[in-house]
Amino acid sequence: GEDVEQSLFLSVREGDSSVINCTYTDSSSTYLYWYKQEPGAGLQLLTYIFSNMDMKQDQRLTVLLNKKDKHLSLRIADTQTGDSAIYFCAACGGSYIPTFGRGTSLIVHP
Amino acid sequence: NAGVTQTPKFRVLKTGQSMTLLCAQDMNHEYMYWYRQDPGMGLRLIHYSVGEGTTAKGEVPDGYNVSRLKKQNFLLGLESAAPSQTSVYFCASSYETGDEQYFGPGTRLTVT
Repeated sequence: GEDVEQSLFLSVREGDSSVINCTYTDSSSTYLYWYKQEPGAGLQLLTYIFSNMDMKQDQRLTVLLNKKDKHLSLRIADTQTGDSAIYFCAACGGSYIPTFGRGTSLIVHP
Repeated sequence: NAGVTQTPKFRVLKTGQSMTLLCAQDMNHEYMYWYRQDPGMGLRLIHYSVGEGTTAKGEVPDGYNVSRLKKQNFLLGLESAAPSQTSVYFCASSYETGDEQYFGPGTRLTVT
């Protein structure tokens, strides 16, 4: 089945850019997502990208997809303390049921 | 719309006790999912349903049962709770497979 990997922690200074990376194994993955989880809450969809796209930009968020390397990244420009949360990468492959990574805890220092 | 709701929010069980977690959604979604979230393990799929009356096993189904008698509700049962089932449980729903999943606020379960 699909396996999704991401680093567990990222620490950045307020105002800097954050880049969270993710790799997946199923080359047939069609939908790739980034979810955000704030403390004590469920996950909320941040953004997504289809496999036929290389890049998607949405205000401060940029998603890059390298299908050849099965690598997905999420860049948050001008990171704010309110961006501190856990970010989950998810990939939807042949089973059409998304597989989630372990989540990256983003810590933003003032 | 309330979205996805879960009851209860917190529960403490003794080993061997049983309980049912209720998930309800008011978005007319076909697909519903139960996940558990453990530190460093991310989200792991327990069971899911692709429509009323259907259920299927996910990655970690052992020790859990589910039912989807009504389209809007998805129940997760623990027949004989074990300390290894201490976790935060999330329910989610989506209109179609591959669509955005909408998550409930979670149920924090402790088994002593």
